[in-house]
Amino acid sequence: QVQLQESGPGLVKPSETLSLTCTVSGDSISTYFWSWIRQPPGKGLEWIGYIYYSGNTNYNPSLKSRVTISVDTSKNQFSLQLSSVTAADTAVYYCARDVGLPAHRWYFDLWGRGSLVTVSS
Amino acid sequence: DIQMTQSPSTLSASVGDRVTITCRASQSISSWLAWYQQKPGKAPKLLIYKASSLESGVPSKFSGSGSGTEFTLTISSLQPDDFATYYCQQYNSYPRTFGQGTKVEIK
Repeated sequence: QVQLQESGPGLVKPSETLSLTCTVSGDSISTYFWSWIRQPPGKGLEWIGYIYYSGNTNYNPSLKSRVTISVDTSKNQFSLQLSSVTAADTAVYYCARDVGLPAHRWYFDLWGRGSLVTVSS
Repeated sequence: DIQMTQSPSTLSASVGDRVTITCRASQSISSWLAWYQQKPGKAPKLLIYKASSLESGVPSKFSGSGSGTEFTLTISSLQPDDFATYYCQQYNSYPRTFGQGTKVEIK
């Protein structure tokens, strides 16, 4: 079955760049759109942005100036970079699959287990 | 951005109870609403999409209704495995936004 797995450093220093990768197994990354979503400890969910295998992206305006999502189809992976991080960026970061019809009426049917990233010196 | 507001924030209920969670959108989202269940330390799990469509493999005790700005998630006959936090999410427009969550606790 299709699985998503996040990977990356669990600790990032303030002002540096957070980098995470999501590896998709069991399906081609070219089939769907893929999102990053985060959840600060004890708080709710925030959508960060999505990417398509073509490189088409859409970001949450609240993070747009600091976010880059990229894709590597040869590795069936997509990645998140968040620059100039502060303690407020400490969260569990999830990758997820976007599904639904019609186009852009997508919800998240499959999620990775999540990766806790702590921003601290 | 479309604001999603859930009520209540916490719900105390007993095994066997029927419970209802409400989600309100700050503007009309037609039926473009999903519901997720999240247990501690786990990723959210999709329960309902398009306001009332049950995701494959999800028990029929979960049901959703509503359209426009007001939606409900109902769990009939609450079981121990159902004690969790539930989130609504709109996918009518970008950015996608979630409700703040409703924690269903054991009474």
